[in-house]
Amino acid sequence: AQKVTQAQTEISVVEKEDVTLDCVYETRDTTYYLFWYKQPPSGELVFLIRRNSFDEQNEISGRYSWNFQKSTSSFNFTITASQVVDSAVYFCALSEPRMGGSEKLVFGKGTKLTVNP
Amino acid sequence: DAGVTQSPTHLIKTRGQHVTLRCSPISGHKSVSWYQQVLGQGPQFIFQYYEKEERGRGNFPDRFSARQFPNYSSELNVNALLLGDSALYLCASSLNHRTSFGTDTQYFGPGTRLTVL
Repeated sequence: AQKVTQAQTEISVVEKEDVTLDCVYETRDTTYYLFWYKQPPSGELVFLIRRNSFDEQNEISGRYSWNFQKSTSSFNFTITASQVVDSAVYFCALSEPRMGGSEKLVFGKGTKLTVNP
Repeated sequence: DAGVTQSPTHLIKTRGQHVTLRCSPISGHKSVSWYQQVLGQGPQFIFQYYEKEERGRGNFPDRFSARQFPNYSSELNVNALLLGDSALYLCASSLNHRTSFGTDTQYFGPGTRLTVL
């Protein structure tokens, strides 16, 4: 069965600190997709990144970077030099594609990040 | 380009009533998915529709139903409301090509916050 675990419920840092959000997933499929979404207080989920199970290259986008390790079933997200605007709830999600099937996303419970000035 | 739109923004109902939530996808997107997010949890998949056909259904009672229209907009209906139905209801759209095996990225709307008294 699919499962996503985000063990960190809340994290609080001071501006300019680096912070890593952990995500561990469970799946029996060899083909799957992993996602990160950001949910600011307004409520809308904002897409950040998508990775497929065959691409283990780490990715960097500005201050954001993602570390995908199949050996430990982890897809961790690091924010470098955090800013107050990074304060939000961050969700990791998993999808197992099926031909003609649904694109159901299975989400973790989220990590609330607070960046203090 | 406009993102996913949802209406209404907020809604207050009493137990036993019926509610209809509406969603318009991003232009060009043919798939709409619905998720329920209760406070402090990650979103839970309810339905996915592609070209008016149901593609997937989550573990929700028959009181929940949905449909998709020829213009790809969608409605989520909930009958006989219970207190536990109070949540943020999120709509997401994706391209979801019928013949693709991959998982298209889902883009979310701002949500409808439903309160059941």
